[in-house]
This record gives sequence, C-alpha cells and structure tokens, in this order.
Amino acid sequence: DGGITQSPKYLFRKEGQNVTLSCEQNLNHDAMYWYRQDPGQGLRLIYYSQIVNDFQKGDIAEGYSVSREKKESFPLTVTSAQKNPTAFYLCASTPAGGDTEAFFGQGTRLTVV
Amino acid sequence: LAKTTQPISMDSYEGQEVNITCSHNNIATNDYITWYQQFPSQGPRFIIQGYKTKVTNEVASLFIPADRKSSTLSLPRVSLSDTAVYYCLVANYGQNFVFGPGTRLSVLP
Repeated sequence: DGGITQSPKYLFRKEGQNVTLSCEQNLNHDAMYWYRQDPGQGLRLIYYSQIVNDFQKGDIAEGYSVSREKKESFPLTVTSAQKNPTAFYLCASTPAGGDTEAFFGQGTRLTVV
Repeated sequence: LAKTTQPISMDSYEGQEVNITCSHNNIATNDYITWYQQFPSQGPRFIIQGYKTKVTNEVASLFIPADRKSSTLSLPRVSLSDTAVYYCLVANYGQNFVFGPGTRLSVLP
C-alpha cells in the first residue's frame, strides 16, 4: 500500500539530547513537509523540501534540522537548541503539479523529560 | 501566501447539514482551495479541493463564489464521527502550506 510512514509513534527523550524523527513515503511525491502541533492548536510549518537535496525553513525552524538525501525520506532532527520540543510532529508529502492534496503520516508524539 | 479566516468552533446535531465558511480575500489566480479534517492524535486527512464554482464528492461539497474570496465546506447529515477540526488552506504547488487554527466542529447527539 502506498503511503507516508512516521516512526516511532511515541518518543521520549531527556532534555538536552538530540532526537531524529523518521518520515518515509512511497508515493513518489516530490515535496515533503514537517509540521509541529501543540495541544488545541493548528499546525505550524517547520521545514519543507520540494526536491532532493533542497529544503527551506518554515515559520518555526529554529532548533530543528532536516535533510533530503533521498526522494522518499525526510528526517527531522530536534536539537537541544529547541526550547520546548514536547509536541506532536506531523510529516506530509505532495505530488508535483498545480493541485495541493497533501498526504499526512500518523504523527510522532515527542515528550522531553 | 493567502491567509484564511474560519470560525474557531461550531456545534451541530446529528443529522443536520453543517456549513463552514472560510474567508481568503487575498487568494491568487493559481491558488486552489483545499479542506482537511483532523481527528485527535492523527494526521489531517484530505476532504475536498476546488478552484471555482462547486465541487462534490462522496463526503462533502465545496462552494466557491465567482470572486473566490471565500469558500464554504458543506457536510450533509453529520454524525458523531464527524466531530473533528476542519482546516481550510489556500495554496498552490511550490508554496509552503500554512495551516490556521481551523474550525473545531462538535456534533451532539
């Protein structure tokens, strides 16, 4: 089945540690996105990538880093510089073209203790 | 990037039709209007997309007036399982998708 997979679903880390969230898609989509969602809030864009080896900062990129070495993969690293990393993280992808239907993963809930 | 405005919350009863309106006064010529549904602790799910006039699928209808400065998502005969947050987005490929706070729909028995 085609889709977008995030792992793990739940992640616990100690304060000060870097952590990497995985996002893989087998939809052959060109663009991929990372969002953060806090309780009761909408989604905020962290980073996005339209093609391999290229990515742009979103609205809240500070304290995060990404890479896009392969079309199907777009991992997100939450660094120790992120002041409040506990949140629900969502990855999405879209095909090329004028329409904008985005496919989302099921999310990773990160808790930093 | 066009900014959207939606009601923060809405209540409805089972079996009623629900209409959620989104304002997007600065929509660009090549922008599409897309609606997503999100349940708690899940990723948003695509509902419907349109460019102008009316679009209908098995889940919802989307009404877009000629000036395209607003759009209305119509959910026919809602059930308890339609309780969710609904997001309106206005964008085209190549833009960074910006989600607003959405509309929290509560369907009551």
